[in-house]
Amino acid sequence: ELKVEQNPLFLSMQEGKNYTIYCNYSTTSDRLYWYRQDPGKSLESLFVLLSNGAVKQEGRLMASLDTKARLSTLHITAAVHDLSATYFCAVDILFTGNQFYFGTGTSLTVIP
Amino acid sequence: GAGVSQSPSNKVTEKGKDVELRCDPISGHTALYWYRQRLGQGLEFLIYFQGNSAPDKSGLPSDRFSAERTGESVSTLTIQRTQQEDSAVYLCASSLLFSSVGTDTQYFGPGTRLTVL
Repeated sequence: ELKVEQNPLFLSMQEGKNYTIYCNYSTTSDRLYWYRQDPGKSLESLFVLLSNGAVKQEGRLMASLDTKARLSTLHITAAVHDLSATYFCAVDILFTGNQFYFGTGTSLTVIP
Repeated sequence: GAGVSQSPSNKVTEKGKDVELRCDPISGHTALYWYRQRLGQGLEFLIYFQGNSAPDKSGLPSDRFSAERTGESVSTLTIQRTQQEDSAVYLCASSLLFSSVGTDTQYFGPGTRLTVL
């Protein structure tokens, strides 16, 4: 069974600082997704990474994928309070299953 | 366009009662997923529908849980004889599957918060 782990689980950071969230998965995967969930809300898609070396950026968030290391990172640049949320990564394996395997989530709090 | 919708948004029930949760996927999306999210936890896969294929029920936690889908539209998740441990947010998601771009991003509904007293 594919396992997806995120690190850290909880992150408290000051506005203006940079930080990285890590997502490790246990077996070869074709695609990796990042989602954001605000408290009491549903999940919102942020990025889809389809190949080794893929990098996507949106505002202060940048996601990258290293399929050889089975690692994806979500980098936060100059954090602002609006980025406070829980971030999930998820992987799936094309043609071999129907499941998306979600990470444990990283709860991010940006302190003014 | 319209996103994934779920109803009810909140459901409070007594232990032992049956509940039915509804999901309306995005029109044209062939794949539909149900997940459970307990308070402060990640997503737990429950069941997956793809077109007319047999559903993948491998995530259902017990035989008290069942789900149906009418063609490529509405799905209902039924929990029989609810227990307190069933209390959670139940999320539905839909996606295009095997699209040429390969970006089968799941689009999530707002969820149904189930509380079993």
